[in-house]
Amino acid sequence: GEDVEQSLFLSVREGDSSVINCTYTDSSSTYLYWYKQEPGAGLQLLTYIFSNMDMKQDQRLTVLLNKKDKHLSLRIADTQTGDSAIYFCAELPELMTTDSWGKFQFGAGTQVVVTP
Amino acid sequence: DTEVTQTPKHLVMGMTNKKSLKCEQHMGHRAMYWYKQKAKKPPELMFVYSYEKLSINESVPSRFSPECPNSSLLNLHLHALQPEDSALYLCASSQEALAGADEQFFGPGTRLTVL
Repeated sequence: GEDVEQSLFLSVREGDSSVINCTYTDSSSTYLYWYKQEPGAGLQLLTYIFSNMDMKQDQRLTVLLNKKDKHLSLRIADTQTGDSAIYFCAELPELMTTDSWGKFQFGAGTQVVVTP
Repeated sequence: DTEVTQTPKHLVMGMTNKKSLKCEQHMGHRAMYWYKQKAKKPPELMFVYSYEKLSINESVPSRFSPECPNSSLLNLHLHALQPEDSALYLCASSQEALAGADEQFFGPGTRLTVL
């Protein structure tokens, strides 16, 4: 299985906040990404955070990082029907090695369904 | 132009066919990637090109043959594929192939069906 873990499904009502959770593995310097994928489409980068940060906010998106528990979350405020998609968290080490070069560790993805 | 484009959008091929997938970016990125994504699974890295040279081949079968003719183009040549190769093939690019430091921009993908 994947080293980066996510819950598989989240249902949320329009207008509510969504929180998508992820646990990662690398305890050293790492970048943590959130990607959104709509049906039949490629991945869209939403935001990313470096592992020395605790929080990052970008409009409706808030990323929280708990380094002690290696827990990452993405909060979407005022969730809209257009937010229905699969959300992937991904980890990429800061330091380049032959094994890590350009190679994401993706989570399995969380399917978010927004209901009216 | 901040787009990665891929053609075709959809491709259906038989197991004896030869076809190619194409990817293009004009962001001046020097690293380009091929990923394979099966339904409801995360993308899996296949190849990484850095400065038009193949840097990583993730033990991909030889029926997949990548080619980087120039810094803007990336092809994936397909020959004698199997039905289990049916998937969404995603291309991505980044400024450099540095771990973690660069954002990867993804194309919309080519949906491949092998009959």
